[in-house]
Amino acid sequence: GAVVSQHPSRVICKSGTSVKIECRSLDFQATTMFWYRQFPKQSLMLMATSNEGSKATYEQGVEKDKFLINHASLTLSTLTVTSAHPEDSSFYICSARRGGSGELFFGEGSRLTVL
Amino acid sequence: LAKTTQPISMDSYEGQEVNITCSHNNIATNDYITWYQQFPSQGPRFIIQGYKTKVTNEVASLFIPADRKSSTLSLPRVSLSDTAVYYCLVEYNQGGKLIFGQGTELSVKP
Repeated sequence: GAVVSQHPSRVICKSGTSVKIECRSLDFQATTMFWYRQFPKQSLMLMATSNEGSKATYEQGVEKDKFLINHASLTLSTLTVTSAHPEDSSFYICSARRGGSGELFFGEGSRLTVL
Repeated sequence: LAKTTQPISMDSYEGQEVNITCSHNNIATNDYITWYQQFPSQGPRFIIQGYKTKVTNEVASLFIPADRKSSTLSLPRVSLSDTAVYYCLVEYNQGGKLIFGQGTELSVKP
């Protein structure tokens, strides 16, 4: 079964609204989680590294004020897309590593469609 | 972070062995090589990881030459369900962030 779960799997929202995506590690604690974005027929692009109890580290070109990341506990990280626009429509995937250097598990992904 | 290069696409037929080669010329001493599989609208799934020589598990083998500048993922007797995108990644010391390259889109035909 899945060890990293995302919710919701699909979300449709109106332009200008905010959407929150949750990422949970189900049977292990994850001090670090990673958020990726994937457009159709493209590879995964790392957006940010989510650190429990501290600020996320964003990759170059990713707006931290638009993509808010909160890692409030060792099993939950959230990504909030603020004031979403149609160009934010994408597949968002989170991942977490079991232990400091263990296998990296990916969530099932969340499909965001902004109308 | 080491950059990886792999073929954009490959075609195969059911029952054949498929070998996907990835080059990572600037791999560092503490880097591990990891392969992931991704189906449409799903998150990537771990296939295999290795550091040198050969690693085998229940689904694949990974061949890494002595210079470690390339690696080959071998899928024995592929089936239609193996149609997916396969990503080769270099991972520092089995920790830290993973940067995905372009991936290889494998199409298995009947």
